[in-house]
Amino acid sequence: NAGVMQNPRHLVRRRGQEARLRCSPMKGHSHVYWYRQLPEEGLKFMVYLQKENIIDESGMPKERFSAEFPKEGPSILRIQQVVRGDSAAYFCASSPGQDSYGYTFGSGTRLTVV
Amino acid sequence: AQSVSQHNHHVILSEAASLELGCNYSYGGTVNLFWYVQYPGQHLQLLLKYFSGDPLVKGIKGFEAEFIKSKFSFNLRKPSVQWSDTAEYFCAVGPLTGGGNKLTFGTGTQLKVEL
Repeated sequence: NAGVMQNPRHLVRRRGQEARLRCSPMKGHSHVYWYRQLPEEGLKFMVYLQKENIIDESGMPKERFSAEFPKEGPSILRIQQVVRGDSAAYFCASSPGQDSYGYTFGSGTRLTVV
Repeated sequence: AQSVSQHNHHVILSEAASLELGCNYSYGGTVNLFWYVQYPGQHLQLLLKYFSGDPLVKGIKGFEAEFIKSKFSFNLRKPSVQWSDTAEYFCAVGPLTGGGNKLTFGTGTQLKVEL
C-alpha cells in the first residue's frame, strides 16, 4: 500500500526555468494539499485540491505558481520563472475526505534554484 | 488568523532524559491539534492528534501530549527519550469546522538525543 509519492525528491533549476513537482496521493484519497517549507520556517499551506477542482488556493503566491489535480494522473505544482527565493522543500499530503484530519504526507521535493 | 508557536528551536538531551516540547496556538475557535515528526531524510509522520475528549493524548513510540484549553497549549512529552528519537517535531493546528483540512504549523523543534 504505497503512501503519498512525490517526485522528484530533489530538483535543481536555474533562475528563470520552470519547476514541475508531482504528487500521487494514496490509493483511495481524492484530496490533495501542498505545503512549502522555507529554511528555518514551519510548513506553510499553499493549496488544497480535489480531482479537477481547486478548493482553496489562499496560500499560493499570486504569480508564477499554479497547481492542478487532473482526473487522471498526479497532482502537479508548477512554478514558472523560478527565483532563488523559491528554494524550499515542497510537501504534498492527501486525505480520503474533507473531514479527515491527520492526513498522510509525502517525502517532499527539495527545490534548489541556482 | 491562526498561529502556532514552538518555543524551543533546538533541544539536546541525553538518552533516558525526559522530554517536553512546548506548543502554543492562537485561534478564535475550536481546534484540532497535531504533533508530527520528521526523521532525517524521511517524510512527516503523525505522532498523535487531539480532536475531543480526554485532553491527555497517547501517541506512537511512547509520546503523549496534553491539551490545556485555558493556556492554548498542546505540549509534547516523553518520559525517557532514545537516540532514535532524534528528529524534527512539528506542532500543527486545524479548525474544527470550516477551513477544510488546512493546517497551520509551528516552525519546528529539532531534537538531538546523545548517547
